[in-house]
Amino acid sequence: DVQMTQSPSTLSASVGDRVTINCRASHSIGSWLAWYQQRPGEAPKLLIYQSSTLQSGVSSRFSGSGSGTEFTLTITSLQPDDFATYYCQQYNSYSNIFGQGTKVEIK
Amino acid sequence: EVQLVQSGAEMKKPGESLKISCKGSGYNFASYWIGWVRQMPGRGLEWMGVIYPSDSHTTYSPSFEGQVTISVDKSINTAYLEWSSLKASDTAMYYCARRVPYGAIPFDHWGQGTLITVSS
Repeated sequence: DVQMTQSPSTLSASVGDRVTINCRASHSIGSWLAWYQQRPGEAPKLLIYQSSTLQSGVSSRFSGSGSGTEFTLTITSLQPDDFATYYCQQYNSYSNIFGQGTKVEIK
Repeated sequence: EVQLVQSGAEMKKPGESLKISCKGSGYNFASYWIGWVRQMPGRGLEWMGVIYPSDSHTTYSPSFEGQVTISVDKSINTAYLEWSSLKASDTAMYYCARRVPYGAIPFDHWGQGTLITVSS
């Protein structure tokens, strides 16, 4: 099975900052990569799929890039609501493997 | 409006059985996979398996194969996650989510979660 590794595990940032979260797959997954946001006490929310396609209704401050084994989630102009945990997910017909998560904290 | 509504929190003892539910509305329930995801206290998301309501075909994560049973009753738009003998380590929040089969969009709508506490 593919393994998904995110870095960093925790990220401290301030409102207005630009932040980048990385996700690495143990072998090539093409563009079958999604990003989710989870705020405390809430269900996860889909942000981006197919590596770079923004889910309907999601702010354009979120963007994704990458293919193969290396992927990136970028958040520009960090807002108070953005302080949350972010997960990457490899998905295909047979599996839906999540990374371990990256917590974005207030500096 | 697409909604996935899960059954309420449960407190059980080790060795007991349990079946939790996830009811879909606002879309063609039979045409979307329903997946189950575990989140242990303070931990990340773990995919458990998916079921296709149209034909009940089920795929399990290797980590959960044999540990749980996923089923569906498409006549009432409801998917289930079942344990035959709970362990303390099953204590977690469990989410259901829908996904387009073989499609580009993964889990786009999620249930509110069901908290399971297993303690003697």
